[in-house]
Amino acid sequence: GQQLNQSPQSMFIQEGEDVSMNCTSSSIFNTWLWYKQEPGEGPVLLIALYKAGELTSNGRLTAQFGITRKDSFLNISASIPSDVGIYFCAGPRAGGGNKLTFGTGTQLKVEL
Amino acid sequence: GAVVSQHPSRVICKSGTSVKIECRSLDFQATTMFWYRQFPKQSLMLMATSNEGSKATYEQGVEKDKFLINHASLTLSTLTVTSAHPEDSSFYICSATTGDHTGELFFGEGSRLTVL
Repeated sequence: GQQLNQSPQSMFIQEGEDVSMNCTSSSIFNTWLWYKQEPGEGPVLLIALYKAGELTSNGRLTAQFGITRKDSFLNISASIPSDVGIYFCAGPRAGGGNKLTFGTGTQLKVEL
Repeated sequence: GAVVSQHPSRVICKSGTSVKIECRSLDFQATTMFWYRQFPKQSLMLMATSNEGSKATYEQGVEKDKFLINHASLTLSTLTVTSAHPEDSSFYICSATTGDHTGELFFGEGSRLTVL
């Protein structure tokens, strides 16, 4: 089945640093979604990407839809303590409409 | 817009009892909702698709008699964990789509179930 692997698994960075994480798949996705989940909460949609090569920003967050359609990147600039959480990439399953496959997650911790 | 709300956020029950979790779309109608399960430090796993006015469709390996889903209206889906056991303890999260963009789901706050 479709699997989404995220790296790194976790990151411990200092406030003000830029962060970069990625998500790769063995199969093609036509939509890439990035979610953030804080402890004890449901995931919140950050950015949605619909076209190969697309680069989309949401405040300090920027995400890109890889040209091969098998990967995506999320960058966070000038990290702040409230960026702490787990970041998941996700994509609709092949033939599955709105059924999402979620990545393995990247846990971000920010040092003051 | 696109707010999904779950209730309760936390529930503790004794082994053998049943627990109902509600998922509501507050500002839109959702003909389809999805129920996910998440174990600590793991990703979200789709359990079932809840369809308004018809039977839910379950993912492979998910017991439909164990996890009863009812989608009685366009804004409400319920998940009932029947005869709960400690291994059912988990974080259950529902989601729904407005239908504007394929795959763009909005999630509830999640419900933490602890079975003693």
